[in-house]
Amino acid sequence: EVQLVESGGGLVKPGGSLRLSCAASGFTFSNAWMNWVRQAPGKGLEWVGRIKTKTDGATTDYAAPVKGRFTISRDDSKNTLYLQMNSLKTEDTAVYYCTSQYFDYWGQGTLVAVSS
Amino acid sequence: QTVVTQEPSLTVSPGGTVTLTCASSTGAVTSGYYPNWFQQKPGQAPRALIYSTSNKHSWTPARFSGSLFGGKAALTLSSVQPEDEAEYYCLLYYGDGVVFGGGTKLTVL
Repeated sequence: EVQLVESGGGLVKPGGSLRLSCAASGFTFSNAWMNWVRQAPGKGLEWVGRIKTKTDGATTDYAAPVKGRFTISRDDSKNTLYLQMNSLKTEDTAVYYCTSQYFDYWGQGTLVAVSS
Repeated sequence: QTVVTQEPSLTVSPGGTVTLTCASSTGAVTSGYYPNWFQQKPGQAPRALIYSTSNKHSWTPARFSGSLFGGKAALTLSSVQPEDEAEYYCLLYYGDGVVFGGGTKLTVL
């Protein structure tokens, strides 16, 4: 059974940093591109970015609103995906989901609140 | 910036049929955009329904179907059930990433 479990969310002040984790199980994590998607309170889904496999260079792509502030990484030895968020803004407040390569599996999400 | 547009809201009667659409600001949606559809109920994570235009996941009820129509991606729900009341999102693939539509709130009334 595929499971994705996010952690690391919380309350942070504007300009601060936070690192989210996503523990994956039930599939060969090292063979999968992975995504982060977020959802602001009462709003729609927004793709944050993705990381490819090491075989594909482990390259990353980001949505414009987070480019240069967020970094996606992976540790295949721990089957874990990360999202490092720096220079956080109030508009980054959202539930953050990790998803599988083709968006067929989603975690339960972790809430990030950016407020002074 | 690419925008993907969906109907903000639709209402359907139980047992009826409804079609939700997904348009791209870049032009006609084709199979090359690999349209995906998701269902989200309040307080839950999204659930994948359709991938690559019309392919169903193993858990997708048969009453859901995906297609291309009139330059848009479409999700059709037949014999709508009360439990189909939810927010529905489409997703389109572009060269350097993906974009979600704004969502359609489907009311079953």
